[in-house]
Amino acid sequence: QLQLQESGPGLVKPPETLSLTCTVSSGSISSSSHYWGWLRQSPGKGLEWIGNVYYSGSTYYNPSLRSRVTISVDTSKNQFSLKLTSVTAADTAVYYCARGGSVNLGIAVYWGQGILVTVSS
Amino acid sequence: EIVLTQSPGTLSLSPGERATLSCRASQSFGSSNLAWYLQKPGQAPRLLIYGASGRATGIPDRFSGSGSETDFTLTISRLEPEDFAVYYCQQYGSSPYTFGQGTKLEIK
Repeated sequence: QLQLQESGPGLVKPPETLSLTCTVSSGSISSSSHYWGWLRQSPGKGLEWIGNVYYSGSTYYNPSLRSRVTISVDTSKNQFSLKLTSVTAADTAVYYCARGGSVNLGIAVYWGQGILVTVSS
Repeated sequence: EIVLTQSPGTLSLSPGERATLSCRASQSFGSSNLAWYLQKPGQAPRLLIYGASGRATGIPDRFSGSGSETDFTLTISRLEPEDFAVYYCQQYGSSPYTFGQGTKLEIK
C-alpha cells in the first residue's frame, strides 16, 4: 500500500521559512497520474487545504496562502516538498502530506502520519 | 469560500445503533465533490466516502454517504466500537477546498 512520510524541523522561528518534505514509498510519483498535496490541522482553524502539485509539476494553492507557499515535486527522489515563508504563530499546526485523486486534486486519498510544526522564537 | 457546517457537534450513541451525521454547505459547489473522513486521536484522517456516496477502498458497507447540492449525510448503519471518532466532511469542488468543523461520535 502507498505510504507517505513527512520530514522536517519541528520548530521554526518567526519570520523564517517552514520547509517540509514528503517521501513516497510503495508507489511512484512519476508513473502515477495523481495530484500530491499538503494539508494542515490546528486547534484554532481545524483542517485546512494548503495546495497540490501534479506529477508534471503544475501547482494549485489555497488563495489565502498563495503569496507564501511553494509546493514542488522531485520525481528522481520520489518526494514532494512544501515551503511556507514568513511564518507566524498562526502557522503552528500538524502538517500532513497526501495523495489526491487522478481527476480531483483537493481530495486526500492517502495521508502521511503528520508532523507537528511549532512556530516560536 | 464555501463554509461547511456539520451537525451535531457531538453525537452520543451505543454500539449497534445507527448514526446519522449531517454536512451543509453555504452554497452549491457545482457537483457532488464531497468527501467524508474519520479521524482517531493521534492519527491522520482516513478517507471514507468520496463523490458524496462512493466508498473508499477497504471501507465496510455499514458506511454510506448521500446528498447533493448543499445537503449531505453520512450514515453508519450499525456502530462498531472502532467507529467512535471524529468525522469531517470536505468539499473539493470549488477552491479553496474546505472542511467542516467535525462531528465527534462518542460512546453513550
